[in-house]
Amino acid sequence: VQLVESGGGLVQPGGSLRLSCAASQFTFSRFWMNWVRQAPGKGLEWVANIDPDGSENYYVDSVKGRFTISRDNAENSLYLQMNNVRVEDTAVYFCARRVGSGSSQSTSYYYYGLDVWGQGTTVTVSS
Amino acid sequence: DVVMTQSPLSLSVSPGEPASISCRSSQSLRHSNGYTYLDWYLQKPGQSPQLLIYLGSNRASGVPDRFSGSGSGTDFTLKISRVEAEDVGVYYCMQALQTGKYSFGQGTKLEIK
Repeated sequence: VQLVESGGGLVQPGGSLRLSCAASQFTFSRFWMNWVRQAPGKGLEWVANIDPDGSENYYVDSVKGRFTISRDNAENSLYLQMNNVRVEDTAVYFCARRVGSGSSQSTSYYYYGLDVWGQGTTVTVSS
Repeated sequence: DVVMTQSPLSLSVSPGEPASISCRSSQSLRHSNGYTYLDWYLQKPGQSPQLLIYLGSNRASGVPDRFSGSGSGTDFTLKISRVEAEDVGVYYCMQALQTGKYSFGQGTKLEIK
């Protein structure tokens, strides 16, 4: 079971970047997926998640309207489109798999943690 | 939004001694379904985070039984019964009460004396 992120790099403020996360050795289409970031020397911050079929997604307030999470189940891939990036978006971005089904809006909210993480890809926003 | 507060932010423990980390949430993490949505993760130096505990007290697969999670409502504790050298790193609690509003604590750095 593996997640491998790519697409990070240096981007100027206001620019765009698309991160990818390639999944292998598990049935990707059955899992909620997440992006979590870690600014240099700082703690973890949850960024976004998406349901198994891509119809439901959520974002932390600081990236709403700028970032878009998506997935391609045929390609076993997760994406994060980052637009209008800011200096404060500088971080290592991890993708992580959530075990369990359903969302918190129902009583059938089955959750067993974020059990598989990628190695991360580094995004640096600087002029 | 749920704010997670950990304490202490750092601790130094001798090998074989116990360690305890506290995590407090700004609102109850008990869902209407009766489950409590609190995880613990460890990020070892230079590595990605790894899941230790989910739903407050359930050890993830492969996690040694010296790790245990407890608590309810807004107050939670991660305990290591006998610290080993491989346990060094930063420990994070994370709440998952709402699907689209996960949040982490600030992290607690564990060092070995």
